[in-house]
Amino acid sequence: DVQLAESGGGLVQPGGSLRLSCATSGFTFSTYDMNWVRQAPGKGLEWVSYISTFSNTIYYADSVKGRFTVSRDNAKNSLYLQMNSLRDEDTAIYYCARAYCSSSSCHILDYWGQGSLVTVSS
Amino acid sequence: QSVLTQPPSVSAAPGQKVTISCSGSSSNIGINYVYWYQQFPGTAPKLLIYDNNKRPSGIPDRFSGSKSGTSATLGITGLQTGDEADYYCGTWDSSLSAGVFGGGTKLTVL
Repeated sequence: DVQLAESGGGLVQPGGSLRLSCATSGFTFSTYDMNWVRQAPGKGLEWVSYISTFSNTIYYADSVKGRFTVSRDNAKNSLYLQMNSLRDEDTAIYYCARAYCSSSSCHILDYWGQGSLVTVSS
Repeated sequence: QSVLTQPPSVSAAPGQKVTISCSGSSSNIGINYVYWYQQFPGTAPKLLIYDNNKRPSGIPDRFSGSKSGTSATLGITGLQTGDEADYYCGTWDSSLSAGVFGGGTKLTVL
């Protein structure tokens, strides 16, 4: 079975840093692009970042650009999100999601982790 | 403010049909495929529809999707109380080089 499991969330002060990890299993990690998506408490989904299979293509939402860094280790089947200069508005559940490519399109988020809560507060 | 626009809520009686709209622009829905996700409280989103109108394995044919121009629609027939959830449309925005979602629609089955 495909499994994704986020870890590393917690309480951090404004201006602080946190690193999220997403451990995967049940599929060939190196052949799939990956994404981070977040959801603030009681709010909708917000796409955060995309990374291609060998990290040659990376995109960020404007709201996190310059502060967050996505990376992956294909040997460890893991995805990461380094979050710096955290703000109150970064408080959210962070999900990692696998991007599936059909014959027509990519960016299909077909499997999601259970999420990791990040709380930015003093 | 979400890039894609959805109604905040919709409701219908059990057994009835409901549609959820998703409006975008020429840089997202207009040129890319649309996906729909279902999310129950306290759980991760689940892929419901991909490539505008395709259902992943295990998704019943009560769920359907369509797209026309810069808008997309999710349809659910034979409503069940178990369908009560939040539904999100999503796609890629080629101008932003970013994923985009709608604000979500809460479905209530009366």
